[in-house]
Amino acid sequence: GAGVSQSPRYKVAKRGQDVALRCDPISGHVSLFWYQQALGQGPEFLTYFQNEAQLDKSGLPSDRFFAERPEGSVSTLKIQRTQQEDSAVYLCASSPPAGERRYEQYFGPGTRLTVT
Amino acid sequence: GQNIDQPTEMTATEGAIVQINCTYQTSGFNGLFWYQQHAGEAPTFLSYNVLDGLEEKGRFSSFLSRSKGYSYLLLKELQMKDSASYLCAGLDTGRRALTFGSGTRLQVQP
Repeated sequence: GAGVSQSPRYKVAKRGQDVALRCDPISGHVSLFWYQQALGQGPEFLTYFQNEAQLDKSGLPSDRFFAERPEGSVSTLKIQRTQQEDSAVYLCASSPPAGERRYEQYFGPGTRLTVT
Repeated sequence: GQNIDQPTEMTATEGAIVQINCTYQTSGFNGLFWYQQHAGEAPTFLSYNVLDGLEEKGRFSSFLSRSKGYSYLLLKELQMKDSASYLCAGLDTGRRALTFGSGTRLQVQP
């Protein structure tokens, strides 16, 4: 079936603007993750959902970052009052619910955010 | 938490074998992953090791030693399309988040 999709693929925001990034996980995947990847670095964990419950938000860098998944499928990552240091690729990943592969994370193509 | 270390860059020749090492320090270990990431693309899953030993999948193999906090990814019969970043990532006990290293950028030359 279809993989993880994210939109928009590219976003340019002026400093101080709010942005919303969308993630559509693989159908049937209950676990959903957001990561931030700076240029030349590995992804860094932001937050994790199981169904609609946000079980871990320890990686969110500030209270300007907010994520939701109200119906347990699509998720939105919102960044308020964007700053230049928020420029990065935001990756979404999902995992199957059970079985041997439940720890494998399948990544979307990411949203490249540039704050000017 | 975890600390993951891997070399920044490696170069190898088409047709050769390359080994990418990864060391980790963790307070609770629940497995080690390798991902491949081409420039501008999503990371794609290569392997998951939770027990000691070597797991082979075609041209790619991954090894884990839990006692040494060490893993490697072995790529055989290198092809130009293998030029990419290879990310080592650890999974902590009780958590679902992956902790990634900075990635090893592999360049395959003709």
